[in-house]
Amino acid sequence: GAVVSQHPSRVICKSGTSVKIECRSLDFQATTMFWYRQFPKQSLMLMATSNEGSKATYEQGVEKDKFLINHASLTLSTLTVTSAHPEDSSFYICSPVAGGDAGTQYFGPGTRLTVL
Amino acid sequence: GENVEQHPSTLSVQEGDSAVIKCTYSDSASNYFPWYKQELGKGPQLIIDIRSNVGEKKDQRIAVTLNKTAKHFSLHITETQPEDSAVYFCAARRYGGSQGNLIFGKGTKLSVKP
Repeated sequence: GAVVSQHPSRVICKSGTSVKIECRSLDFQATTMFWYRQFPKQSLMLMATSNEGSKATYEQGVEKDKFLINHASLTLSTLTVTSAHPEDSSFYICSPVAGGDAGTQYFGPGTRLTVL
Repeated sequence: GENVEQHPSTLSVQEGDSAVIKCTYSDSASNYFPWYKQELGKGPQLIIDIRSNVGEKKDQRIAVTLNKTAKHFSLHITETQPEDSAVYFCAARRYGGSQGNLIFGKGTKLSVKP
């Protein structure tokens, strides 16, 4: 089956610092990558969509300068939360789409970000 | 745009009973309907999916049915076990291949009591 890794799984940082989250599809190539955030007891909220080698498309209300997305290859995408603040504390989940699998969408294990 | 409604929001069953979760969607062009299981503190895990050219799909204790005319699809779990306890999300997507993004329901918290 499809294996997706996300690193780190948990991170605690001080307000004002930047945090980088890595997402890798280990056994398939992801032509498209989605990034979601999830607040406790809520559904997933789409933040942005990226295609390998292209600029990410951000959902309304998501600041592109704050949440930097890089989809450098078909197996690696990164999300950087710049100048993090307590309100950025959330569960961030990447979701690569296996283009060769008729568009099946998988999810990473998530990263719990806590900003103090 | 697409809107997905999911019911119930919580569901409690006894071990061994069946559980059914229902979703409706609004965009008749949606053609892909996956179901995800999310355990506490983890990312969603794809458990089964169905495409619009199929009416039913089964994988051991899990089955999904799709009624395109009524625009609803359901997840059926038989012989439930305590480890089935989790939040389940349905989703719908319009495009084929890897384009487009999933629209999620709000989730159903399933509790299976031993």
